[in-house]
Amino acid sequence: AQSVTQLGSHVSVSEGALVLLRCNYSSSVPPYLFWYVQYPNQGLQLLLKYTSAATLVKGINGFEAEFKKSETSFHLTKPSAHMSDAAEYFCAVSVGLWDTGRRALTFGSGTRLQVQP
Amino acid sequence: KAGVTQTPRYLIKTRGQQVTLSCSPISGHRSVSWYQQTPGQGLQFLFEYFSETQRNKGNFPGRFSGRQFSNSRSEMNVSTLELGDSALYLCASSRGAIEKETQYFGPGTRLLVL
Repeated sequence: AQSVTQLGSHVSVSEGALVLLRCNYSSSVPPYLFWYVQYPNQGLQLLLKYTSAATLVKGINGFEAEFKKSETSFHLTKPSAHMSDAAEYFCAVSVGLWDTGRRALTFGSGTRLQVQP
Repeated sequence: KAGVTQTPRYLIKTRGQQVTLSCSPISGHRSVSWYQQTPGQGLQFLFEYFSETQRNKGNFPGRFSGRQFSNSRSEMNVSTLELGDSALYLCASSRGAIEKETQYFGPGTRLLVL
């Protein structure tokens, strides 16, 4: 079974500083990996996804993530934090075989990002 | 294109009652998944429907059920509500049932059980 571990339930950075949110996955088959963001009282919005094309994936709002198979990691970064980036971020993995009907996103526990002025 | 819509947005129920939540996927999307989000357990998969068939089910008791209609709209039902069912219920839709496809989430229905 697949799993996702997000290190750090809370991360605080200063405005303009580098954002690094960590995600490690466990999967017995090549995974598809996603980062979602959730603003208060809202649903989840996709930031970016890895589907085995390029290992460096660029997403919306200046975020990017790099798939590193040797480290089983998919960390999310942004060079310069903005106040509007304050939210909760979820890493998720999706594996399964279409013909067996096994398909679901398994989420990490989330990382709340605070941006200090 | 309209996004995923969920109704109602907020619900208050008492223990023992039942509740039905509704989800309308993005036009053209045939797969609908449901997730429960709580502070303690995080985001957990409930079930997925594709072309009116339940293709996958998470580890939830039988009190949680769902269905999908021919227009891809989906409902989930929770019977005999318990206090622990208080949560944000999120619906997500995607074009098909393929792992690498993006699931688009609705705003959720916040259920409070008293």
